Amino acid sequence: AQRVTQPEKLLSVFKGAPVELKCNYSYSGSPELFWYVQYSRQRLQLLLRHISRESIKGFTADLNKGETSFHLKKPFAQEEDSAMYYCALLSGGYQKVTFGIGTKLQVIP
Amino acid sequence: SQTIHQWPATLVQPVGSPLSLECTVEGTSNPNLYWYRQAAGRGLQLLFYSVGIGQISSEVPQNLSASRPQDRQFILSSKKLLLSDSGFYLCAWSPVLTGGAGEQYFGPGTRLTVT
Repeated sequence: AQRVTQPEKLLSVFKGAPVELKCNYSYSGSPELFWYVQYSRQRLQLLLRHISRESIKGFTADLNKGETSFHLKKPFAQEEDSAMYYCALLSGGYQKVTFGIGTKLQVIP
Repeated sequence: SQTIHQWPATLVQPVGSPLSLECTVEGTSNPNLYWYRQAAGRGLQLLFYSVGIGQISSEVPQNLSASRPQDRQFILSSKKLLLSDSGFYLCAWSPVLTGGAGEQYFGPGTRLTVT
């Protein structure tokens, strides 16, 4: 069965410090992974997808099939990055996604 | 552009009462539709999803049911609410593309409190 693991419920970093939000997955098929973000009082929204290999708001994520990981990284944290981040895996015949439990990122000024 | 609506925003219901939460999507046709429950420390739990009118897949056995009476309408229901049904319910849609389910657009959510 598919599974997404986000080992940290809370990650606190200082402004300007590097950020790495961890995500590991378990899936027997070819994985497609995503990061979603929820800012305070806003809707949950898609941040980026591995297949696009894009950088959004300074965040990047690389799929490592050997380590079954899809960590989200940013070299210099900003206060506006404080939010809840969810890693998600496309599954179920590509009709649904499995979400991790989320990591709350707190950027300390 | 596409929009997704959910109502009500908040709801307080007594144990044993019925429930009906509604979700509608505008600006797209034949979307995939989803109901989630979001809980702190437990993330997003997929409850139901639908790939077409009348087609409902249930992910977890529970006291809830879902229906899709129209293409862009998704309803979450219960005949008798339990205290454990309290939570934050999210509706989402995704385009019907290969892998499109990964690109989900979420509604504002409904906060349900069962007393």
